[in-house]
Amino acid sequence: DQQVKQNSPSLSVQEGRISILNCDYTNSMFDYFLWYKKYPAEGPTFLISISSIKDKNEDGRFTVFLNKSAKHLSLHIVPSQPGDSAVYFCAARLLELLRGSNYKLTFGKGTLLTVNP
Amino acid sequence: GAGVSQSPSNKVTEKGKDVELRCDPISGHTALYWYRQSLGQGLEFLIYFQGNSAPDKSGLPSDRFSAERTGGSVSTLTIQRTQQEDSAVYLCASSPAASREKLFFGSGTQLSVL
Repeated sequence: DQQVKQNSPSLSVQEGRISILNCDYTNSMFDYFLWYKKYPAEGPTFLISISSIKDKNEDGRFTVFLNKSAKHLSLHIVPSQPGDSAVYFCAARLLELLRGSNYKLTFGKGTLLTVNP
Repeated sequence: GAGVSQSPSNKVTEKGKDVELRCDPISGHTALYWYRQSLGQGLEFLIYFQGNSAPDKSGLPSDRFSAERTGGSVSTLTIQRTQQEDSAVYLCASSPAASREKLFFGSGTQLSVL
């Protein structure tokens, strides 16, 4: 039972355009969401995160939007660059009753983004 | 080298053999995790170490899997009597105490069981 779903295995966009990567989740007890980026033969690297008390978080070209009622989040990359070509993983963490009590992340299967020059 | 280091980067073994995968976390990071990624799947949590606390082994798929962390630093993941379904990329990550959800991953060990 996949609790974090990335339904698009791949996405191709033109350089300079917007890339929108989507993620859906089923567990309403998730309260913190992250995006990781992975290049081939490397480990995933943290990109951006959002707490469930917010609906938007922006960091340079990257913006994550959270729609709690729809259990949906999206990552926007504007403008897209060829160096953004990578696999993007959405991840979620359960609500912490005590700080540090939840540390497991549940990952989606990833979306391969290709940005064409 | 400031990053998480894993060795070997690739391991090919025969079904039934034991393998050991090593992880050297970022110095000062108290938390250490093992995840694995099977082909076409997301990252799957295996085990978590935090300081001197008992590890959370709830993600280990069978009793053939074990892990230890010596001296609060280096960790070894051992798979006994490997099976073909163990073939995956095994990723180690560490995180500082202040932001445990922001994991720093190593490059992983690609394990292939023939």
